[in-house]
Amino acid sequence: DTGVSQDPRHKITKRGQNVTFRCDPISEHNRLYWYRQTLGQGPEFLTYFQNEAQLEKSRLLSDRFSAERPKGSFSTLEIQRTEQGDSAMYLCASSLSPGNGGSSEQFFGPGTRLTVL
Amino acid sequence: KNEVEQSPQNLTAQEGEFITINCSYSVGISALHWLQQHPGGGIVSLFMLSSGKKKHGRLIATINIQEKHSSLHITASHPRDSAVYICAVRFGNEKLTFGTGTRLTIIP
Repeated sequence: DTGVSQDPRHKITKRGQNVTFRCDPISEHNRLYWYRQTLGQGPEFLTYFQNEAQLEKSRLLSDRFSAERPKGSFSTLEIQRTEQGDSAMYLCASSLSPGNGGSSEQFFGPGTRLTVL
Repeated sequence: KNEVEQSPQNLTAQEGEFITINCSYSVGISALHWLQQHPGGGIVSLFMLSSGKKKHGRLIATINIQEKHSSLHITASHPRDSAVYICAVRFGNEKLTFGTGTRLTIIP
């Protein structure tokens, strides 16, 4: 297994356009997370899935943002009507829940850098 | 409010020096992670701990639950250790709350 992969690695778009990012987690991992990181800041939580269920969404995730994980494997994050403030690195991570409600290590993908002109 | 603070924000040291990066958090946690981020964005998980101390090569992470504080130490630092080191905590639910990171530069 080559780890978490994200596609594309870079995306430049014009304001108002829609963009979609894809994340492929480590194959046996049941949890998948999306984070956003702006320049000079630490990542911020956006949302996470356990299998295909979206269990938590941050208030940062406005109605222009939607995430799916339809078959419990890969996930997509779509941003509609992009704004310049959406420019950031979008990070995906995955983990295997230990089954006892405990914490598990998250493995991060390389990120998708979005630039909105 | 659940907060994570790191210090220092920037650290420059000579090769071979012993490095300490600190992380403090506001309320009880279920786990704390130390992450490394190189230029270009890739994040690597270094440690996950909820008590005590962990060691991996030249890296050591400690956590004091009572004081709500963790430290990441690097022994015999090397220029390839130059990166941003991020502390992230889990406040009982699944999501991670991240510090703003410490930018470490090791000069040969």
